[in-house]
Amino acid sequence: EDQVTQSPEALRLQEGESSSLNCSYTVSGLRGLFWYRQDPGKGPEFLFTLYSAGEEKEKERLKATLTKKESFLHITAPKPEDSATYLCAVLYSGGGADGLTFGKGTHLIIQP
Amino acid sequence: GAGVSQSPSNKVTEKGKDVELRCDPISGHTALYWYRQSLGQGLEFLIYFQGNSAPDKSGLPSDRFSAERTGGSVSTLTIQRTQQEDSAVYLCASSLELSPRTQYFGPGTRLTVL
Repeated sequence: EDQVTQSPEALRLQEGESSSLNCSYTVSGLRGLFWYRQDPGKGPEFLFTLYSAGEEKEKERLKATLTKKESFLHITAPKPEDSATYLCAVLYSGGGADGLTFGKGTHLIIQP
Repeated sequence: GAGVSQSPSNKVTEKGKDVELRCDPISGHTALYWYRQSLGQGLEFLIYFQGNSAPDKSGLPSDRFSAERTGGSVSTLTIQRTQQEDSAVYLCASSLELSPRTQYFGPGTRLTVL
């Protein structure tokens, strides 16, 4: 059973069409939840860290929220340059030392 | 400032050969991490260093994999007797100190084993 599940696997939106990406996790003892963006052929680029339920963070058109079981990445009025794979990862007590456990990502395409 | 750098960016090798992958972390970052990203598999944590020490090597896929870090800076991931299933992108990340500090990733090394 996957410990971090992201949905949908892929999402195609029109420019300006807002939506949300989901990351659900089954681990206990969450120490942090991380969102990254990855462009083809590049390493993941850090977006947000969330540490406790109820926390929210914003950056430009992106807003990340966290509950006890899941996190959402809300994208408001997206632009074509927001097209990328968005990765969610968790750090938890009992996990691989300080290694992150990643979901498989959501491949987002924003059409002009 | 400079980010995490990795070399080479691409490596093609023949089955059975040894390869060395290098990671240069962000200056001042004491923690360093190695991950592997395979098609359809997502990112898999391999090993981390605090300073020059790797307390837990259980994430390494097999005993053909080893890693070291010297001077609290550059790290090398070595794969001996490469197999085709070792083909993947190997990513390195660093953080200011042990987690839950944010990890910043390098561009990766794409390894292809023929």
